[in-house]
Amino acid sequence: DTAVSQTPKYLVTQMGNDKSIKCEQNLGHDTMYWYKQDSKKFLKIMFSYNNKELIINETVPNRFSPKSPDKAHLNLHINSLELGDSAVYFCASSLVGEGEKLFFGSGTQLSVL
Amino acid sequence: AQSVTQLGSHVSVSEGALVLLRCNYSSSVPPYLFWYVQYPNQGLQLLLKYTSAATLVKGINGFEAEFKKSETSFHLTKPSAHMSDAAEYFCAIEGAGSYQLTFGKGTKLSVIP
Repeated sequence: DTAVSQTPKYLVTQMGNDKSIKCEQNLGHDTMYWYKQDSKKFLKIMFSYNNKELIINETVPNRFSPKSPDKAHLNLHINSLELGDSAVYFCASSLVGEGEKLFFGSGTQLSVL
Repeated sequence: AQSVTQLGSHVSVSEGALVLLRCNYSSSVPPYLFWYVQYPNQGLQLLLKYTSAATLVKGINGFEAEFKKSETSFHLTKPSAHMSDAAEYFCAIEGAGSYQLTFGKGTKLSVIP
């Protein structure tokens, strides 16, 4: 019955690899997000996406790309992983116009070695 | 542009004592302000929000926050701390109509028995 679920919970990988984090929501929401939480606990939006529009935070490297096979899924694909990509990544969802009523997944801890 | 600053990355209180977590904001437009809580190994969840109605906002688990425009503050309080309140707390701001949040760096609350 998890509202927003993301997998895997932990991801350990080598520098230079390509990896994906999956996110699914069963709330019927039309907007999904990816947030990055760094080691200092600072939480920063990376992308927001609905059926009409992808909004990209311009500070996000183009190695990061969101992929949405359907309305209930927004996966995060990362190419050529770097050490600085190590962080906890949170997926979230909301209804359009109610962006503050976010429902978050439990996070994916990515460690790049 | 909007931003929030949380004063104190770590706050410790005794069980039963007053909880005060500080958040100051900066915004060029009327802000919407939020407090989120992150329990260990869980995603963030909304604690309470201010959206230009009553300046004193009551949230879940006995928490409340007061919007003070003159002080540009939105501090989170709870009269009596409980062990279960131990978590990371994030203040967030949304420029009215932008539907995207900017988070503070978080304050870790520890409750001492």
